[in-house]
Amino acid sequence: EAGVAQSPRYKIIEKRQSVAFWCNPISGHATLYWYQQILGQGPKLLIQFQNNGVVDDSQLPKDRFSAERLKGVDSTLKIQPAKLEDSAVYLCASSQWGLTYGYTFGSGTRLTVV
Amino acid sequence: DQQVKQNSPSLSVQEGRISILNCDYTNSMFDYFLWYKKYPAEGPTFLISISSIKDKNEDGRFTVFLNKSAKHLSLHIVPSQPGDSAVYFCAARSTGTASKLTFGTGTRLQVTL
Repeated sequence: EAGVAQSPRYKIIEKRQSVAFWCNPISGHATLYWYQQILGQGPKLLIQFQNNGVVDDSQLPKDRFSAERLKGVDSTLKIQPAKLEDSAVYLCASSQWGLTYGYTFGSGTRLTVV
Repeated sequence: DQQVKQNSPSLSVQEGRISILNCDYTNSMFDYFLWYKKYPAEGPTFLISISSIKDKNEDGRFTVFLNKSAKHLSLHIVPSQPGDSAVYFCAARSTGTASKLTFGTGTRLQVTL
């Protein structure tokens, strides 16, 4: 089966600019996650979708981050305006509902804010 | 508040020997634990998992041990191979949170010839 697709792979922007990341999960996976991994740290959940509804966005900085999952398939994560501390790898993952071992990650988007 | 801790940032092991990666947790509500492996420029890949009702799970060269009383789990790789060189993340799921995972900071394993 095809994996989780993410784009772009790399992005460099200046602070206060906006940026968007795209994710296409594995076909049939109802649950989609966005994780942020800062250098030297483990991935941290930003938002979790079940189909096109939000299950958990408790750690999403909602003043600058937003995410949507239209039609319950692909998803977009946006940052506006970006700060230096947003420099990280943004990982998208998908799973069948309730199957934690079925978590499949994409290769991520490395964001550098200068 | 780091609920999942991997206190060894790096580990070097000779090929053929055993690699032991450790993970400690503080949240007693964690009921499911996983290990992920990550190569550079790739996303983490699921390796092995264990439920809190078990104390051991084995899959080929990989075995995970869980000590609930000590809130400690470990991943054993026997024998270690050069292709095992990667960053290993311990992750945990809290009861009632469906599939949300809390990750540790990772341990970089290097298997030398």
